[in-house]
Amino acid sequence: AQTVTQSQPEMSVQEAETVTLSCTYDTSESDYYLFWYKQPPSRQMILVIRQEAYKQQNATENRFSVNFQKAAKSFSLKISDSQLGDAAMYFCAYRSYNNAGNMLTFGGGTRLMVKP
Amino acid sequence: KAGVTQTPRYLIKTRGQQVTLSCSPISGHRSVSWYQQTPGQGLQFLFEYFSETQRNKGNFPGRFSGRQFSNSRSEMNVSTLELGDSALYLCASSLTWGIGETQYFGPGTRLLVL
Repeated sequence: AQTVTQSQPEMSVQEAETVTLSCTYDTSESDYYLFWYKQPPSRQMILVIRQEAYKQQNATENRFSVNFQKAAKSFSLKISDSQLGDAAMYFCAYRSYNNAGNMLTFGGGTRLMVKP
Repeated sequence: KAGVTQTPRYLIKTRGQQVTLSCSPISGHRSVSWYQQTPGQGLQFLFEYFSETQRNKGNFPGRFSGRQFSNSRSEMNVSTLELGDSALYLCASSLTWGIGETQYFGPGTRLLVL
């Protein structure tokens, strides 16, 4: 079974600064998908970014980018120019490619605080 | 396009009762998944449905069940509620099933069991 670990329960960043959230995972599969979801106080999970394991290029979405290290099984999220609205819980998630279904395995989450 | 909707948003029940939660996926989405979120266990997969068939089930007791209707709307049911069932129940929809689809989440139903 796959496991996802987020070793930083809480992080804080100054507004306009850059912060990196860590995620490691354990799998025996060679093909899979990785996601970062954001959960603000409203509790609605919002997709931030997605990475296919077969793609070597790191995914980017505006101020959000990932550092995907397949050999190290690491998938960190970098948030540039942090904004107050970025304050939320961030969850890293794994999804098998070969295994049937859309099931996501989540890490424990990192609470990001943004200081004005 | 409207997002995933879940009803009710909040619910209070007592131990031993049963509860039904509803999820309407994004228009055109045919796959629905359910997750339970608690402070202690985090986010855990419950089950997923596609074409009215349960495709995967997580490690939850038989008290947790679900179904999907022909219009892709889904319901989950928890019978004989226990205090530990207090949680945020999240529904997610995706276009189809099994091909790297991204899941889009609803706002959740917060269940409190007294």
